[in-house]
Amino acid sequence: EVQLVESGGGLVQPGGSLRLSCADSGFTFSSHWMHWVRQAPGKGLVWVARIKNDEISTSYADSVKGRFTISRDNAEKMVYLQMNSLRVDDTAVYYCVTGTGYYYNYWGRGTLVTVSS
Amino acid sequence: QSALTQPRSVSGSPGQSVTISCTGTSSDVGGYNYVSWYQQHPGRVPKLMIYDVSKRPSGVPDRFSGSKSGNTASLTISGLQAEDEADYYCFSYTGNYIDWVFGGGTKLTVL
Repeated sequence: EVQLVESGGGLVQPGGSLRLSCADSGFTFSSHWMHWVRQAPGKGLVWVARIKNDEISTSYADSVKGRFTISRDNAEKMVYLQMNSLRVDDTAVYYCVTGTGYYYNYWGRGTLVTVSS
Repeated sequence: QSALTQPRSVSGSPGQSVTISCTGTSSDVGGYNYVSWYQQHPGRVPKLMIYDVSKRPSGVPDRFSGSKSGNTASLTISGLQAEDEADYYCFSYTGNYIDWVFGGGTKLTVL
């Protein structure tokens, strides 16, 4: 069974930085694209970023482009989200997600990021 | 980059059927058969209910079905049950450099 476990969330001031991590267990990590999805309090799901299994090809939502960087280490079965220049509207639960196709059948439990002064 | 359009809320009585629509463009919903649907109960992690427009993962009741016509995908829940009350999100591959998009979500109320 796949298990994705996020860590690294917390309280940060506007303009600050935070690095989220996601550890995988239970499946062939290097075969799958990995994504981050976020959900602001009381709001809907928003796709944030994606990295292909080649550790190189990435894409980002417009709202985070230039501020967030997704990366992965296939040997360590880890995916990361480096978040810089954080804004109040980045406050959300961040989910690490993946799937066996063009969908997400595996979700982590999420990690809360709060951006506030 | 615009979210897919879903009704904010739908409702139905136990035993009835409801359909939730998800409207996009020819660049996302209409361009690919990669629409999926997620159910989220309050405080819980989203759960995959439908993938590739109309396929059901193992364990999802056959009361849940998906379809697509043009740029609009639909999730139909038949034989509504109290536990179906939740938020539902559609999701589509877009194929461009920003290659994924969610719908805004629909709150289903079982009356």
